[in-house]
Amino acid sequence: QSALTQPASVSGSPGQSITISCTGTSSDIGGYNYVSWYQQHPGKAPKLMIYEVSDRPSGVPDRFSGSKSGNTASLTISGLQAEDEADYYCCSYTNSNIYVFGTGTKVTVL
Amino acid sequence: EVQLVESGGGLVQPGGSLRLSCAASGFIFSNFWMSWVRQAPGKGLEWVAKIKPDGSDENDAAPLKGRFTISRDNPKNSLYLQMNSLRAEDTAVYYCARWGVRAGLDVWGQGTTVTVSS
Repeated sequence: QSALTQPASVSGSPGQSITISCTGTSSDIGGYNYVSWYQQHPGKAPKLMIYEVSDRPSGVPDRFSGSKSGNTASLTISGLQAEDEADYYCCSYTNSNIYVFGTGTKVTVL
Repeated sequence: EVQLVESGGGLVQPGGSLRLSCAASGFIFSNFWMSWVRQAPGKGLEWVAKIKPDGSDENDAAPLKGRFTISRDNPKNSLYLQMNSLRAEDTAVYYCARWGVRAGLDVWGQGTTVTVSS
């Protein structure tokens, strides 16, 4: 099972919106609504930001939103803030009954 | 406080074995699916395995199946990862994580570092 494809880096200025894509296949993203997104700051454990494509756990700011179209999932950060600078990973369930992570995206706040 | 604490990492020679542990507290451990996720130095996250609340695993297609085995002891609130025939490329931080009620890893440990080197 190959890793899901994410852009290596995305950047934006404070207050702007950015979108991170996560591309898979019909065997993973396209086949199931079990896509989650994780934020990871350097030296820290990942943190769940989005589950089941578009739902936010309590405590996650509503400027984080998720969506899916076909084999591609997306994470949008609206009103970008300095503390959003981190690595972001998508994750999907697959038809092999296992999960696969994305390649990861480094978000830089200019 | 909901918490996961990994232990058991360290330096091991290629071909060796290591058993990681994860102690859970603050929630009813036996109600939740659990997973191990690893991250090689400077690299991305890699899903390793998952285990059902009753201790059965469904990781037949997992890339590391055959060398790595996930298990749990519900009365001890503990999760384990038995790693055999270790290779240099298994060097990573290993995280245990809980699958929430909805499909997402909602609680993570701080990680334990495994280094495979002669």
